[in-house]
Amino acid sequence: EAQVTQNPRYLITVTGKKLTVTCSQNMNHEYMSWYRQDPGLGLRQIYYSMNVEVTDKGDVPEGYKVSRKEKRNFPLILESPSPNQTSLYFCASSPLTLVRPDSPLHFGNGTRLTVT
Amino acid sequence: AQSVTQLGSHVSVSEGALVLLRCNYSSSVPPYLFWYVQYPNQGLQLLLKYTSAATLVKGINGFEAEFKKSETSFHLTKPSAHMSDAAEYFCAVSDQGGKLIFGQGTELSVKP
Repeated sequence: EAQVTQNPRYLITVTGKKLTVTCSQNMNHEYMSWYRQDPGLGLRQIYYSMNVEVTDKGDVPEGYKVSRKEKRNFPLILESPSPNQTSLYFCASSPLTLVRPDSPLHFGNGTRLTVT
Repeated sequence: AQSVTQLGSHVSVSEGALVLLRCNYSSSVPPYLFWYVQYPNQGLQLLLKYTSAATLVKGINGFEAEFKKSETSFHLTKPSAHMSDAAEYFCAVSDQGGKLIFGQGTELSVKP
């Protein structure tokens, strides 16, 4: 089954304790992206990757890191989480490329992160 | 820079009534526009997309949207609401370079 898999689904942590949220897709998509969803703000893009070893900042990259060492995986790293990073996070992948910019996103089921 | 505005964070309709969810965009290039739906505790799913082939776009579950360049709008409609349509709906615009900008979302409630 074609899917985007995020882990964990729920995570509670404390301020400053490094964490990683994993994301994997099995559709051989070039494009992957991370979003955070907050009430009243919709989805805001954190980072995206057009291909392996290529990553770019979205609208809210501060406090986050990503890496794209292989096509299927795109982990989100919070080196020193803070309470304002408490949010619902979504990973997405797409066949989107510069010559196929209308390709839709396929989303994972989300990771709800709480930082105390 | 691209931006998206969804008018109304909550919309409530009766079952069988018309659904109208509003989306206005701004874009410095010809836009690619999308509507996504999010059911509780799930990720987003594509409803439909506009790619300049036709101004009236039909999507899944009986939804459609009309692209109006003069009004910079891409409103989502469904002639007759069903209880299963209750969800949050997001309009989005692509900048063609990999950035997808989402609106704030509209929560649709359907009353029996």
